[in-house]
Amino acid sequence: KAGVTQTPRYLIKTRGQQVTLSCSPISGHRSVSWYQQTPGQGLQFLFEYFSETQRNKGNFPGRFSGRQFSNSRSEMNVSTLELGDSALYLCASSKGQTLIQETQYFGPGTRLLVL
Amino acid sequence: AQKVTQAQTEISVVEKEDVTLDCVYETRDTTYYLFWYKQPPSGELVFLIRRNSFDEQNEISGRYSWNFQKSTSSFNFTITASQVVDSAVYFCALSFNAGGTSYGKLTFGQGTILTVHP
Repeated sequence: KAGVTQTPRYLIKTRGQQVTLSCSPISGHRSVSWYQQTPGQGLQFLFEYFSETQRNKGNFPGRFSGRQFSNSRSEMNVSTLELGDSALYLCASSKGQTLIQETQYFGPGTRLLVL
Repeated sequence: AQKVTQAQTEISVVEKEDVTLDCVYETRDTTYYLFWYKQPPSGELVFLIRRNSFDEQNEISGRYSWNFQKSTSSFNFTITASQVVDSAVYFCALSFNAGGTSYGKLTFGQGTILTVHP
């Protein structure tokens, strides 16, 4: 079974630009979560999508947004990039169908550098 | 509020030594889940184990073992006879029954950098 895939793997942008990152979950998984990892703040939850609906959101500004498509693929967008947005962005998928917190499987991440 | 503390920032051992990574968590919920993930230099978080709060049985998987103690809110991870390939950052994480503000959210500790020298 193919794992979680993320594209692109590396990205360099300048301040003020916007960026879109993509995540394809494991086949059959309908829940996709996004995390930001930085040396200072560690791993922080951004948001979670299930069946094209955002069910949960972390404490990030509105510049961070996402969406999920009918095939469960998800994208996240960061507008008006700031230097502090430089991070590794990780996507994780799980079946997401029950109230039990299922195991999340992570992709390789997208490393974003903002200059 | 939920919180995970991994007090050991970095651990350095020589191959074949045993090493224990500590994880202490805080929660008021009675139902919760604990996880360990490994992050090699490539960046991907690799799932190692998931335990729920009602299952305090210790678990062993090859050279890996986990000790879950609700009385001390700890979920420690031991690698026996460490190998160079075990070098990575290890994260402990906490989550709750999916619902409301818990959907898809893992709360991670700061991670422990493990370096195994040949």
